[in-house]
Amino acid sequence: QKEVEQDPGPLSVPEGAIVSLNCTYSNSAFQYFMWYRQYSRKGPELLMYTYSSGNKEDGRFTAQVDKSSKYISLFIRDSQPSDSATYLCALSGGFQKLVFGTGTRLLVSP
Amino acid sequence: GAVVSQHPSRVICKSGTSVKIECRSLDFQATTMFWYRQFPKQSLMLMATSNEGSKATYEQGVEKDKFLINHASLTLSTLTVTSAHPEDSSFYICSADGTSDSYEQYFGPGTRLTVT
Repeated sequence: QKEVEQDPGPLSVPEGAIVSLNCTYSNSAFQYFMWYRQYSRKGPELLMYTYSSGNKEDGRFTAQVDKSSKYISLFIRDSQPSDSATYLCALSGGFQKLVFGTGTRLLVSP
Repeated sequence: GAVVSQHPSRVICKSGTSVKIECRSLDFQATTMFWYRQFPKQSLMLMATSNEGSKATYEQGVEKDKFLINHASLTLSTLTVTSAHPEDSSFYICSADGTSDSYEQYFGPGTRLTVT
């Protein structure tokens, strides 16, 4: 079993839709939860960063962490074509090492 | 701020040759840099962690004699793929962690290596 599971997609939605992206994990030692966005042939860029359980909102993005279920989510409101990219969850138990999900490819059509 | 660059962005080399990839933190000092490899439609896999002035720590299954890492300064780390083979063709991405109280890593744009 992989440490982090993420549906690779692609996930296709119309412009303006609410997008839900998810990851599940198996290691209860993970304490830091991040979402990265990666455009084709580019390096990942950090979108959201959460420590422990709870919600965090930043503009159109909301990150949720449920440690009891080992389940994390990223919601994108009012999705735009420019949001089309691959979204990777990344988890860390500390000491800087990140474990990435496979990434979900999101396609937002105009 | 927190910009990381990589050079080259794309390289094609012949089997058996060596290739060096540079990773630079442009506007901050990076005590720790990380090297990842990403195969098509797969996740980023950590290859090694390097701290300035000390030997790199390699992940299980990564050959340290094949992937040479040098972190000679607080702004530069290099990855040398020695005796490259076609199976080494991949997207190599570095990241840098410049702060002591954050787990955020700043990623470079990646280097596409193709070994023919």
